[in-house]
Amino acid sequence: EIVMTQSPATLSVSPGERATLSCRASQSVSINLAWYQQKPGQAPRLLIYGASTRATGIPARFSGSGSGTEFTLTISSLQSEDFTVYYCQQYSNWPPITFGQGTRLEIK
Amino acid sequence: QVQLVQSGAEVEKPGASVKVSCKASGYTFTSYGITWVRQAPGQGLEWMGWISTYNGDTDSAQKFQGRVTMTTDTSTSIVYMELSSLRSDDTAVYYCARRVSSFYYFDYWGQGTLVTVSS
Repeated sequence: EIVMTQSPATLSVSPGERATLSCRASQSVSINLAWYQQKPGQAPRLLIYGASTRATGIPARFSGSGSGTEFTLTISSLQSEDFTVYYCQQYSNWPPITFGQGTRLEIK
Repeated sequence: QVQLVQSGAEVEKPGASVKVSCKASGYTFTSYGITWVRQAPGQGLEWMGWISTYNGDTDSAQKFQGRVTMTTDTSTSIVYMELSSLRSDDTAVYYCARRVSSFYYFDYWGQGTLVTVSS
């Protein structure tokens, strides 16, 4: 089973600034990596797939990068609605599909 | 528009079973598989399994094998997930989500179904 580790667990950033969230895989997943955003009481929302491709309707301030075992989600200029929880997910080696434990992005 | 609409909240006793439904609309049902993901209170996302809506093939996480049954009804575009031998730690929100083609990420999600296991 591939273990996904996200860091930090909580990230404090001011509105308008850049946020960088990290995700590490315990073995290579190539670019088979997705990012999701989850707001309280809502289902997750797909942001990025293929490590760097934005899903339909996702604003350009969200970008993904990385390959192999190291991945980054960058939010270039934080809006109020961006302060929530983010998960990475690998889909290279399954079953099982595995998610990171999440990073909570909070207002500084 | 693509929609996945799940059945309502359930309260079950330990040892019982629960069956959650997920009705799909807005796309060709048999072209996309459906996966199930759960989230315990205050916790992260946990993949449970997947069903092909085309031929009914399934895969499930090892921890749920023998307890989870996923079925599909193409006449109504509904997928069902039944979890048996419920324990208190099965209390969670259960989500269905559409699997994107031959890849294994999920582009549309249901609203979630809260299953509470309590005596």
